[in-house]
Amino acid sequence: AQSVSQHNHHVILSEAASLELGCNYSYGGTVNLFWYVQYPGQHLQLLLKYFSGDPLVKGIKGFEAEFIKSKFSFNLRKPSVQWSDTAEYFCAVNAVSGGYNKLIFGAGTRLAVHP
Amino acid sequence: EAGVTQFPSHSVIEKGQTVTLRCDPISGHDNLYWYRRVMGKEIKFLLHFVKESKQDESGMPNNRFLAERTGGTYSTLKVQPAELEDSGVYFCASSPREGKYNSPLHFGNGTRLTVT
Repeated sequence: AQSVSQHNHHVILSEAASLELGCNYSYGGTVNLFWYVQYPGQHLQLLLKYFSGDPLVKGIKGFEAEFIKSKFSFNLRKPSVQWSDTAEYFCAVNAVSGGYNKLIFGAGTRLAVHP
Repeated sequence: EAGVTQFPSHSVIEKGQTVTLRCDPISGHDNLYWYRRVMGKEIKFLLHFVKESKQDESGMPNNRFLAERTGGTYSTLKVQPAELEDSGVYFCASSPREGKYNSPLHFGNGTRLTVT
């Protein structure tokens, strides 16, 4: 069965620190990969996605993620975080095998950025 | 455009009672999904509608959960009777028909259900 594992449940950083959130998935076939973010009091929104091509994907607000197929990983990075990045981040995978989107989410990583 | 809206935002009910959650997708979106997050755990898929038809309901926990999407517009998710383990945040999401795999899901704010 497909699954997504996020390594850290809580991360605390100071502003300007670099961020890397780990994400590993288990699925042997072709996958689409996503990072979603939920800011306090807001809905889940798409941060970035990978379907094919360049494994280094750029998203909104300076975030990027790198797909490493051999490691089944899709880690999220940002070189310098801001207080406004405080949110919960979810990695998700969608198996490309007939059917429609059926996202499998990780447990989420709660990021707190202190000024 | 208006986003996905969910109602109520919070619901507190007693074990054994019935609760109905509502989701209004973005207008014109054929795909509607229900997800649930139990405290601190992953967001789990419950089911998927394409218009009024259930495309995939493999994630529905048991027969106490009933989802409908009459007319292919808004959807309801009824829990009857509610149990303690049903507590969590119920998310609804929608996406357009085109591009089955690469249409991002648009999520609502969720309904936080507490069963006491």
